[in-house]
Amino acid sequence: AQSVTQLGSHVSVSEGALVLLRCNYSSSVPPYLFWYVQYPNQGLQLLLKYTTGATLVKGINGFEAEFKKSETSFHLTKPSAHMSDAAEYFCAVGGGSNYKLTFGKGTLLTVNP
Amino acid sequence: GAGVSQSPSNKVTEKGKDVELRCDPISGHTALYWYRQSLGQGLEFLIYFQGNSAPDKSGLPSDRFSAERTGGSVSTLTIQRTQQEDSAVYLCASSLFGTEQNEQFFGPGTRLTVL
Repeated sequence: AQSVTQLGSHVSVSEGALVLLRCNYSSSVPPYLFWYVQYPNQGLQLLLKYTTGATLVKGINGFEAEFKKSETSFHLTKPSAHMSDAAEYFCAVGGGSNYKLTFGKGTLLTVNP
Repeated sequence: GAGVSQSPSNKVTEKGKDVELRCDPISGHTALYWYRQSLGQGLEFLIYFQGNSAPDKSGLPSDRFSAERTGGSVSTLTIQRTQQEDSAVYLCASSLFGTEQNEQFFGPGTRLTVL
């Protein structure tokens, strides 16, 4: 079985500040990890994914995430927040023979001017 | 090219009525997924299609829910005798193959409101 916990349902940052969205996972098989972003009234868009190899993954829009097996974490970061980053962010886990993704409950990011 | 499309974008129905939600995946994608997004519940997996077959229906919440896929393309999710707890956004996604390494591309969703 797999599960994802996103710490903080709502994160608020100032424009230009560091963005840190936390994700911890549980998986009985080597995990594949994903971050998706959802803008209002839109579907989910993939930001980045970790499958194998380098544990620091770079994605679109300046986001990156680091897979830390010892901490079972896959936190999402961006050095400097932009107003356009305001959205809801979902962490998801897949892996093994598990084609379906298990999602966290999401973190709503607010960026203040 | 075109992404995943879903119709209708919004559906309001009365309790007890049947509804059909449609998903058009990206052309050539063999795998198709339905998820439900409810307030406070996040995204819940409903069903997975590989081609026209549904090897995993484990997420369907009750026998009122069914889905089919024809021609390896369009999929329809049907909810019979809708209940208020069925109100949610229903998201469809497709991927090139049904493996965990393949990115799932999501449609904009259908917002279902059951009165």
